[in-house]
Amino acid sequence: GIQVEQSPPDLILQEGANSTLRCNFSDSVNNLQWFHQNPWGQLINLFYIPSGTKQNGRLSATTVATERYSLLYISSSQTTDSGVYFCAVERGGADGLTFGKGTHLIIQP
Amino acid sequence: NAGVTQTPKFQVLKTGQSMTLQCAQDMNHEYMSWYRQDPGMGLRLIHYSVGAGITDQGEVPNGYNVSRSTTEDFPLRLLSAAPSQTSVYFCASSWREGTDTQYFGPGTRLTVL
Repeated sequence: GIQVEQSPPDLILQEGANSTLRCNFSDSVNNLQWFHQNPWGQLINLFYIPSGTKQNGRLSATTVATERYSLLYISSSQTTDSGVYFCAVERGGADGLTFGKGTHLIIQP
Repeated sequence: NAGVTQTPKFQVLKTGQSMTLQCAQDMNHEYMSWYRQDPGMGLRLIHYSVGAGITDQGEVPNGYNVSRSTTEDFPLRLLSAAPSQTSVYFCASSWREGTDTQYFGPGTRLTVL
């Protein structure tokens, strides 16, 4: 099956810092999503981004489908950004999303 | 819209007991799926459905059954719970499979003793 690798696995930053999270995948995909899992366990959709660039406030994402990677940018981090960020991909059909193991982000005040 | 809802939020079972995790969505989505999340890992697909009356297996289907009698509901049944099924279970839905944003429910935390 398709492989999804996320880096770094852990990241500790001070409030106000910027960060870049990376997602590499091993095959072409029709769906790529970024999620934030908050400390209460809720999975929150951040972006649906199989290709191109999107921005939503302090967050933005870029997927370069031809090179099989996606980047999530977080600017001016806040403590509420803490949690685990997952990248998930889908090749098509009904196989469901394949998740990476996530990046655990801690924002310290 | 309530989105994707799951009940219960927490459940403790003894080995060998059976139970049903409920999932419902009010977005008229055709595609629904169940995932489990184990510590330190991403989510893995258990079963999915592309529409009422149609279900299929995902990556880790053993020990679980599903049915889809309506578009809105997609229950997950544990036939004889085992400690290896201790996990957090998420239900998801989308308009169609493969190329659409998937929306996740709040999860059910299950412990099997």
